[in-house]
Amino acid sequence: DGGITQSPKYLFRKEGQNVTLSCEQNLNHDAMYWYRQDPGQGLRLIYYSQIVNDFQKGDIAEGYSVSREKKESFPLTVTSAQKNPTAFYLCASSLMLGQGNQPQHFGDGTRLSIL
Amino acid sequence: AQSVTQLDSHVSVSEGTPVLLRCNYSSSYSPSLFWYVQHPNKGLQLLLKYTSAATLVKGINGFEAEFKKSETSFHLTKPSAHMSDAAEYFCVVGGFKTIFGAGTRLFVKA
Repeated sequence: DGGITQSPKYLFRKEGQNVTLSCEQNLNHDAMYWYRQDPGQGLRLIYYSQIVNDFQKGDIAEGYSVSREKKESFPLTVTSAQKNPTAFYLCASSLMLGQGNQPQHFGDGTRLSIL
Repeated sequence: AQSVTQLDSHVSVSEGTPVLLRCNYSSSYSPSLFWYVQHPNKGLQLLLKYTSAATLVKGINGFEAEFKKSETSFHLTKPSAHMSDAAEYFCVVGGFKTIFGAGTRLFVKA
């Protein structure tokens, strides 16, 4: 079955450390997204990509970086510049960017905590 | 501009009773609307979507939603709640930028 795989499920970060969250999809979708979810809050967009080698900042991109070297993969790096990284991170994909009638498909998330 | 408002942050029902989760939207054109469900420590799962076909949309697990343009609403209902329905529900407006509601947490009492 096609879907989105996020790994690891749980991740711990030490002070001053960069960590990378993996997101892989086999849905043949062009668009991919990273969201941050804090307790009791909705989803906030970090970065999105509409095609390989192209990505754009979302609403809360500071302290994060991404790459899109392959269509299937969209890893997110949480850098030491992100002072409050503890959150639940969700990766999603959709057929194309801007196609409002197409739903996004989500992975099962990575929970990042500070040591 | 588009926006979405979920009118209740928490809803509590007894098992076997109806569920109503309320959502209002704002859009300058005919919107695409979605409801997603999120169980603890899981991603969002699509329940149903409205894309300007029938105004009453049936989804998975017995949920349905009715698009009412005059009221700019897209409320989610289920005739009889089950314990497994306890989760967080998100109303979403599709467009060039997807807009997520803040979520409604559904509690189901035995």
